[in-house]
Amino acid sequence: DTAVSQTPKYLVTQMGNDKSIKCEQNLGHDTMYWYKQDSKKFLKIMFSYNNKELIINETVPNRFSPKSPDKAHLNLHINSLELGDSAVYFCASSQIWSRGTDTQYFGPGTRLTVL
Amino acid sequence: AQTVTQSQPEMSVQEAETVTLSCTYDTSENNYYLFWYKQPPSRQMILVIRQEAYKQQNATENRFSVNFQKAAKSFSLKISDSQLGDTAMYFCAFMSVQTGANNLFFGTGTRLTVIP
Repeated sequence: DTAVSQTPKYLVTQMGNDKSIKCEQNLGHDTMYWYKQDSKKFLKIMFSYNNKELIINETVPNRFSPKSPDKAHLNLHINSLELGDSAVYFCASSQIWSRGTDTQYFGPGTRLTVL
Repeated sequence: AQTVTQSQPEMSVQEAETVTLSCTYDTSENNYYLFWYKQPPSRQMILVIRQEAYKQQNATENRFSVNFQKAAKSFSLKISDSQLGDTAMYFCAFMSVQTGANNLFFGTGTRLTVIP
């Protein structure tokens, strides 16, 4: 059983389009995250979500918006795509939102290519 | 802001040998977590090992162990009896506890190649 899944795994689109990446976790975790991995393999946090509440937005453009219909899902919507948005996007989840933090488990990633 | 530095962009090791990947970090906090993640060509991010800063004992997971030096802010990963399947990018990551945000801050990674 896949713990954290993302769809699609590959996404190729034109500049200016709007796209979404879906993420689902079946671990019963209550916190989910989105990370961006650029062409140099550098991973950086974009968002954290706990109980449907956005916790952190690390200076990400407002063209990016996370949406969580329920605790098991955190989707990433991107409007007006730009060439610089090309990257691999990872979803992750963890067990508890507390100071006794738990390990984050990652999805397989979505490679987004903007032409 | 927390920074994580991996000074070895690429490394190689002969199969069955031992290799150590280095990681240093910068923080003013006393409580935090450190992780090593592995990313093989499949792109999946896989947890290798984690260390709680309040624990003095170095974490071990089978062939993987860490050398955690809190005062020096160093967190190296040792892979013993290297196997071909260990070929991957390895990322060191820091997680703050005190800020209340469980975000991971990653280093730039080390590409490890295990040579048959």
